[in-house]
Amino acid sequence: GAVVSQHPSRVICKSGTSVKIECRSLDFQATTMFWYRQFPKQSLMLMATSNEGSKATYEQGVEKDKFLINHASLTLSTLTVTSAHPEDSSFYICSARDGHRRDRRDNEQFFGPGTRLTVL
Amino acid sequence: DQQVKQNSPSLSVQEGRISILNCDYTNSMFDYFLWYKKYPAEGPTFLISISSIKDKNEDGRFTVFLNKSAKHLSLHIVPSQPGDSAVYFCAASAPGAGSYQLTFGKGTKLSVIP
Repeated sequence: GAVVSQHPSRVICKSGTSVKIECRSLDFQATTMFWYRQFPKQSLMLMATSNEGSKATYEQGVEKDKFLINHASLTLSTLTVTSAHPEDSSFYICSARDGHRRDRRDNEQFFGPGTRLTVL
Repeated sequence: DQQVKQNSPSLSVQEGRISILNCDYTNSMFDYFLWYKKYPAEGPTFLISISSIKDKNEDGRFTVFLNKSAKHLSLHIVPSQPGDSAVYFCAASAPGAGSYQLTFGKGTKLSVIP
């Protein structure tokens, strides 16, 4: 299957700092990337949908000024958590969809390994 | 309001037996369902999917059953193996502009006992 990488895998930062997480599709072009957040024992909650070359679409309740998403190329999307606070501590996962697939029956999202963010 | 529900947070099964993971949904617009498997500290990996025009899809040891009238689907793993121990997420999507967006359940942690 297709490979999606995330960097860093873990990050610990002080409250008030900004953290950037990268998501890359390694062997396919991802016209659409998704950013999820998962709290312990909870489901993956979609934060935003990002399409290459356009502004991200944020889910209700997700602050777009706090979670900045940039999808500058077909293989890279970044999520920046600005002025991070302890309540932002979570597991952030990205996924990517192969842009060449047109049939929804092949609606697979390929997930990255996730980034564990801890804000002190 | 949770649109995809996995009411069993955990399940333990003996190796070689059948594992049955259940998922219920409330949104009647959902027409495509997927199961993902997730190991700790890793992202989910796609396992199997089913379209609402079918009631069964089989892939090796994995079979997904869909009961549209009950808005219920289940994943059967037989025979279960220790390597199947992981968290299984049920996900669903609806047609339309956001048809590639997935709504996930909370997951069921499967433990297969050797």
